[in-house]
Order: sequence, then structure tokens, then C-alpha cells
Amino acid sequence: GESVGLHLPTLSVQEGDNSIINCAYSNSASDYFIWYKQESGKGPQFIIDIRSNMDKRQGQRVTVLLNKTVKHLSLQIAATQPGDSAVYFCAEKNRYSTLTFGKGTMLLVSP
Amino acid sequence: DTEVTQTPKHLVMGMTNKKSLKCEQHMGHRAMYWYKQKAKKPPELMFVYSYEKLSINESVPSRFSPECPNSSLLNLHLHALQPEDSALYLCASSPQPDRANTEAFFGQGTRLTVV
Repeated sequence: GESVGLHLPTLSVQEGDNSIINCAYSNSASDYFIWYKQESGKGPQFIIDIRSNMDKRQGQRVTVLLNKTVKHLSLQIAATQPGDSAVYFCAEKNRYSTLTFGKGTMLLVSP
Repeated sequence: DTEVTQTPKHLVMGMTNKKSLKCEQHMGHRAMYWYKQKAKKPPELMFVYSYEKLSINESVPSRFSPECPNSSLLNLHLHALQPEDSALYLCASSPQPDRANTEAFFGQGTRLTVV
């Protein structure tokens, strides 16, 4: 289930389940969005991106959905594995290719 | 080579020390960035170098001083830091700052502790 702790929302799933991580963004003019995965003690790692002229993009085991009407992004991970356990951030791309990150969601996958 | 390399991985420094964080990339990227990340929080932008010129300073205190000696290297000089500056400092690069559809590549970060 999903819970919101003091700092970081957490999603706990069983191995093999599908996971859905949500993100709200603020700038309606943003035209490029990225999902990053950050494992403990490491830097953010690119997962998948999407441009604002698309509403869905699929990668390997991951799908990103974009709803511009309500400024909402979601990341779907199919057949979640223990190695998917990490913090997931959505990010909006701004000028000079800088990034504004969302709050992040911790994904915990139980075997 | 698709890596952004940061050194050191860990750094403990006193409030009167002067130290430097280093970042290197050999992907030919022309934009380099420093982000600061506190525990359980998202990364926050500090500085941007675009074509080796400082383009953005997000109102960072002067005790943090960035330097871009060439297109492959980015330094962050630290002086008279406070304990609240303890954080993970992330370096990133991207191909061209004004190009669409380009991701930023992040290094592993330097875990800084100020005592």
C-alpha cells in the first residue's frame, strides 16, 4: 500500500506486482519530463522521459503517462523486482536543461 | 564513456577548513551542474555552467564557489561551511543546455559532513 510519512511517501509492493508511482508538476509550460531512480548512496539514474506532445511512452518494463490537463505524471513498473527498490523522482526540464524535481517516492519491493 | 565522475565520495571537514569537490565528464557535454541534496529530499539546483560560463547561481551563499576550468571539469570550492551544509552534492552534465529532449547524467555524489 501507499503511505505518506514525515518526509517521503512510500509505496510497498510484493515482487511480481505492478507498481504505479505518481507525481504532480507545477509549471504548465514545461515541455519535457524525466523519471529518475535513485538508489541509496548513489546519484539519480535516468529511467524514461516524455515530451509534452505525448501522453504515453513505453520502455522496458516501464511506462510513463502524462496528463497535461491536471499536470500529472505517473510511472508504471511492470513485474516489480527487488532491484527496483529505490527512490523515484519525476523532474521537469527548465532553461539551460536544469531540472526541478518532485518530492520523490520510495518504492519498497518485498520478495 | 558515459560517466560523470565525482571525487571524493565522502568528505568530512571542519567549519574552518577549505576543501574542493571535483567533477569530470568526457562525453563532450557543454552544460555542467551542481545540485545539493539533503536526506529524504529531492536534489536542488545550485549552479549551472553553460559553455564554461556561469549561467545560473541559485542565490547560493558565497562560502560555495564554483569553477569550470575547462569543458570536462567542474569544481566546487568550499570555505567556512556550516553543519547545515552537510548533504550529498551531485554533479550533472547534459549535451547542450539549449537542446530539447536531452537528459542530464548524474555522478554518484560527494557525501559531505561538516563538523
